Amino acid sequence: DAKTTQPPSMDCAEGRAANLPCNHSTISGNEYVYWYRQIHSQGPQYIIHGLKNNETNEMASLIITEDRKSSTLILPHATLRDTAVYYCIVRSRTGTASKLTFGTGTRLQVTL
Amino acid sequence: DAGVIQSPRHEVTEMGQEVTLRCKPISGHNSLFWYRQTMMRGLELLIYFNNNVPIDDSGMPEDRFSAKMPNASFSTLKIQPSEPRDSAVYFCASRATGRETNEKLFFGSGTQLSVL
Repeated sequence: DAKTTQPPSMDCAEGRAANLPCNHSTISGNEYVYWYRQIHSQGPQYIIHGLKNNETNEMASLIITEDRKSSTLILPHATLRDTAVYYCIVRSRTGTASKLTFGTGTRLQVTL
Repeated sequence: DAGVIQSPRHEVTEMGQEVTLRCKPISGHNSLFWYRQTMMRGLELLIYFNNNVPIDDSGMPEDRFSAKMPNASFSTLKIQPSEPRDSAVYFCASRATGRETNEKLFFGSGTQLSVL
């Protein structure tokens, strides 16, 4: 699987958009980009995933560059409850047996 | 749906004792994962099952660790004998495998294990 690079930490003011970058320059054509987050003392939570088109759901938007070498997770109106570690994961689909490997992620601190 | 259920929530034991962690996946999910999280090593995948069959146990640290999934609704992770370095949060996750790419894992709340 392609390796990902994320900044170790970021701050965001409450109510503002939080833009979390992820670099995956070695991504291959059949690899998807997944985002999870982990709020303190909880298990990781799925946010969104995409292949090459931008995606949006009730939690966030995912913007993938045209060359697919990087992506940005956007939380449009960050709240204090969005303070968490955000993991960007690149994973290929290999039949029914596959696994997710988590890196170190970005620690997002949302402040008043 | 109650989500992935893990028990116990907290476990404190002495070195050398046997520890059993339990997990009930979401009904209908056919893949189950055990992860371990520590400050030093982050989230590590220990083992995962597909249709109750262990697919990849390469992350299991050593023979003291074993995992079973006797049926689709229950899995255990056992450590025997336990050591202080096993202290960590252990997460169980499940997934429904469909035709399209699906890495949407649902995690339990974890078991905080402390081995004294």
